[in-house]
Amino acid sequence: AQSVTQLGSHVSVSEGALVLLRCNYSSSVPPYLFWYVQYPNQGLQLLLKYTTGATLVKGINGFEAEFKKSETSFHLTKPSAHMSDAAEYFCAVIYGNTGFQKLVFGTGTRLLVSP
Amino acid sequence: EPEVTQTPSHQVTQMGQEVILRCVPISNHLYFYWYRQILGQKVEFLVSFYNNEISEKSEIFDDQFSVERPDGSNFTLKIRSTKLEDSAMYFCASRMATEAFFGQGTRLTVV
Repeated sequence: AQSVTQLGSHVSVSEGALVLLRCNYSSSVPPYLFWYVQYPNQGLQLLLKYTTGATLVKGINGFEAEFKKSETSFHLTKPSAHMSDAAEYFCAVIYGNTGFQKLVFGTGTRLLVSP
Repeated sequence: EPEVTQTPSHQVTQMGQEVILRCVPISNHLYFYWYRQILGQKVEFLVSFYNNEISEKSEIFDDQFSVERPDGSNFTLKIRSTKLEDSAMYFCASRMATEAFFGQGTRLTVV
């Protein structure tokens, strides 16, 4: 079955510290991988995506993620956290390139940033 | 920039009542989705829609749920007889290629 695992429902960092949010997926076919951010009482905003090509992808707000096929991982990082990064982050996967394939979401990780 | 719009942003309804949640996808997109997020929980897939028919649905999407694209622009989710456990944020999404664009959601509260 298609699945996405996000380790840690909550991650706390200090402002200026490294942010690392973990995502692992299960797949027998090449995945398309996404990170979405959800601010309180808002919708889902795409941070970045991996489809093909370079395995290190850069997104908005200074975030980046690296696709590691051998580890079936797509961890999200940011070198220096900002207070405004506090939000819920969801890793998601589309399997294959069939048009109607759905996004499968992880359970989400809430990022808390302290001064 | 094109966006997916959802109305209403918040709907309160009594248990047993019918509700219709509305979405206007991005105009040239071909694939449409509804997702649900119960407060504090994960985003769950409900249904996908392509070429005017359901392409996939989850076990959540039972006979109480239906989707329509009545006029080629709107995409609606109907819940025939709401239950307390239907209270959630409902997100519509549309997709052309790999990226799905989400609306801001409709918060449904069943009392």
